[in-house]
Amino acid sequence: SQQGEEDPQALSIQEGENATMNCSYKTSINNLQWYRQNSGRGLVHLILIRSNEREKHSGRLRVTLDTSKKSSSLLITASRAADTASYFCATDSVGNTPLVFGKGTRLSVIA
Amino acid sequence: NAGVMQNPRHLVRRRGQEARLRCSPMKGHSHVYWYRQLPEEGLKFMVYLQKENIIDESGMPKERFSAEFPKEGPSILRIQQVVRGDSAAYFCASSPSRNGELFFGEGSRLTVL
Repeated sequence: SQQGEEDPQALSIQEGENATMNCSYKTSINNLQWYRQNSGRGLVHLILIRSNEREKHSGRLRVTLDTSKKSSSLLITASRAADTASYFCATDSVGNTPLVFGKGTRLSVIA
Repeated sequence: NAGVMQNPRHLVRRRGQEARLRCSPMKGHSHVYWYRQLPEEGLKFMVYLQKENIIDESGMPKERFSAEFPKEGPSILRIQQVVRGDSAAYFCASSPSRNGELFFGEGSRLTVL
């Protein structure tokens, strides 16, 4: 089944730096979502971008979508220690399949 | 407005026993999804239900696993005759619409001894 693949698998940065995570997928999608998961907790929705959108912002988050390359990126600006978490992209393909999650990027922000 | 409630948060079972995991969706949400997560892995889709109906169970093993979402009460994920490989975190999510934003519970962590 289709699956988003995040890259890198792990990322370690200093507080204040920007963090960029990428997601690639295989087939045409309706929308792409990004979620965050703190260790031992449930996932929290961050942002949804539709297939006809190219960029979306929410606070310190910026998401881009390139449907020609079947890829998306999540940028977190001015990172904080509290941003330390795993970040997952999730896609649902045309035909209303359930959301399929990638394996995630583990972000560590060092104070 | 309470979030998605899952219980138990932790469950220990011996091989061959049954595990029942419960999920109460957010108020007003009729779409429920169950996912399984292994350590350091992403979430694997199991089943999608909409009040009293199973819409998609393509991710659920054909044997030993079943799910329901009755008209009244929580959604239940039932695992019969558990094996060690069933040890995982099971997450429930609800949504007001199909494939919109998902609201997740904190998960039920099953350990099979």
